[in-house]
Amino acid sequence: TQLLEQSPQFLSIQEGENLTVYCNSSSVFSSLQWYRQEPGEGPVLLVTVVTGGEVKKLKRLTFQFGDARKDSSLHITAAQPGDTGLYLCAVPHLGGGADGLTFGKGTHLIIQP
Amino acid sequence: GAGVSQSPSNKVTEKGKDVELRCDPISGHTALYWYRQSLGQGLEFLIYFQGNSAPDKSGLPSDRFSAERTGGSVSTLTIQRTQQEDSAVYLCASSSGREDWTQYFGPGTRLLVL
Repeated sequence: TQLLEQSPQFLSIQEGENLTVYCNSSSVFSSLQWYRQEPGEGPVLLVTVVTGGEVKKLKRLTFQFGDARKDSSLHITAAQPGDTGLYLCAVPHLGGGADGLTFGKGTHLIIQP
Repeated sequence: GAGVSQSPSNKVTEKGKDVELRCDPISGHTALYWYRQSLGQGLEFLIYFQGNSAPDKSGLPSDRFSAERTGGSVSTLTIQRTQQEDSAVYLCASSSGREDWTQYFGPGTRLLVL
């Protein structure tokens, strides 16, 4: 059983559309991170959320941490081709922030011009 | 640049051979992590070094895998008697190890075992 379930696995939409991807679990987490990975590169941190119900915005990206700290969502407004990539959510591996991370399998996002 | 670097970027080897993968973390970062990314399993944690403490090896998949970190900086991940299922991208990350535990990833080493 995967600790973090991400959905959808694959998403292909047209430029300008809005989309939401999800990261769900039955476990409670002290914090959660979202990363974006482009082909041939390592993941790059987008945001860290730590408080239940927290909403963070990064330009056209809106991240929300569930009230119970078990799930999170990423909403992209007016998607651009540059948003194409693999979006990964991650939580601390053993509960501490400085430990390794446990990742979901990711959402492969393609934005078509 | 000042980011995490990994070498080689690509490695093709024959089943049964040993391979060594190298990671140079960001200067001054005390924490170093190894992950494996494969198509079926996603990104998996392998091992974590923090300063001079004993490493957390809880993610290593078998005793064919080992890693060391010399002088608190460069790290080497060694896979002995490679198997085809070891084919994956091996990613290294480092962090300052202090309050900000953001991990910075290298570009990875793509390993193909024939």
